[in-house]
Amino acid sequence: GQQVMQIPQYQHVQEGEDFTTYCNSSTTLSNIQWYKQRPGGHPVFLIQLVKSGEVKKQKRLTFQFGEAKKNSSLHITATQTTDVGTYFCAGNNFGNEKLTFGTGTRLTIIP
Amino acid sequence: NAGVTQTPKFRILKIGQSMTLQCTQDMNHNYMYWYRQDPGMGLKLIYYSVGAGITDKGEVPNGYNVSRSTTEDFPLRLELAAPSQTSVYFCASSRTGLNSPLHFGNGTRLTVT
Repeated sequence: GQQVMQIPQYQHVQEGEDFTTYCNSSTTLSNIQWYKQRPGGHPVFLIQLVKSGEVKKQKRLTFQFGEAKKNSSLHITATQTTDVGTYFCAGNNFGNEKLTFGTGTRLTIIP
Repeated sequence: NAGVTQTPKFRILKIGQSMTLQCTQDMNHNYMYWYRQDPGMGLKLIYYSVGAGITDKGEVPNGYNVSRSTTEDFPLRLELAAPSQTSVYFCASSRTGLNSPLHFGNGTRLTVT
């Protein structure tokens, strides 16, 4: 079945440093979504990418979808303490309603 | 709008007991999902539904049952609880199955001892 892996599993950064998490799928995806889960909370939708090579920005967050639609990345510039949490990517195979979640990257910030 | 509401928030079960986790949404979404999240891990799909009267298995359906008699409600039934079912359970809904964001409930933390 479809597998979605994320690296790294954990990332500790000093406040103000940049952070990147990478998402890799074993199959070609029709779209990729990104979610953020604060400690003790539930996943919250951040963004969706659909087109090959697509890049989208949300303030300090930059999301990319690979040309082959099998990988994606999330980059945070100048991290803040509010960025703490686990970031998940999630993707659909073509024609499949089931969203497969990645393994997640847990970000902690050192003040 | 309340969004997706899950009850209870916490529950402790003894091995072999049964319970139903409730999930209701007020967004008139067709698609609903049940995920489980083990400590420090990702989310695994248990069951999902594309509309009232239609359900299908996800990755980890064993030990669980669901029903979808209305658009709003999607309860998850645990029969003969086992320690391996200790987890946080999230219900989610989406307007359509593809290219549509998931809206999650706050989760139910279940411990089976």
